[in-house]
Amino acid sequence: GESVGLHLPTLSVQEGDNSIINCAYSNSASDYFIWYKQESGKGPQFIIDIRSNMDKRQGQRVTVLLNKTVKHLSLQIAATQPGDSAVYFCAETDTGRRALTFGSGTRLQVQP
Amino acid sequence: GAVVSQHPSWVICKSGTSVKIECRSLDFQATTMFWYRQFPKQSLMLMATSNEGSKATYEQGVEKDKFLINHASLTLSTLTVTSAHPEDSSFYICSARDPSEGTGELFFGEGSRLTVL
Repeated sequence: GESVGLHLPTLSVQEGDNSIINCAYSNSASDYFIWYKQESGKGPQFIIDIRSNMDKRQGQRVTVLLNKTVKHLSLQIAATQPGDSAVYFCAETDTGRRALTFGSGTRLQVQP
Repeated sequence: GAVVSQHPSWVICKSGTSVKIECRSLDFQATTMFWYRQFPKQSLMLMATSNEGSKATYEQGVEKDKFLINHASLTLSTLTVTSAHPEDSSFYICSARDPSEGTGELFFGEGSRLTVL
């Protein structure tokens, strides 16, 4: 079946640097995309979302970019902090289905 | 924001026994809840969609007779792992969407870690 995947399993950055986590999706029917942060032993925590009628959305220190042409999604974290260390998942769905399909995840390690 | 609660947060059981995990929406009513399973260092995989007042919809490859889902009220869905085996050891996570929120955001519980000895 169709899936959402990530290019990098682990990303290591220095504290204060900007982080970029990438995600490729293959379901062309997807119209809603979400980034989640998951800390060890906990459930996913919503970070930011974007709908297919947008190509960029900004939150506090985070920005999500959507390129529908190449089915690519990215999460940018500005001034990365040690508390940002976690596994990040992209997820996608289409309005009709409602359930989310998750990507394989990227572990972000922030070096002090 | 909306809160989804799971219980227990962790459970250890013997092989062959059954374990029930509860998922509650604390401040909203959810006609639909989703159950995910996550093995160590892997992503979340959708197991089934729990529908209030009707049968759950299972994803391909998920045994409905082994993973019993009951959604008897608008705030509670339960997942029962029957005749559990060590390979069922996993992190089970439920989620629900608050229909009153226009964002469509899916709220997740904190997960239930099952260890089958």
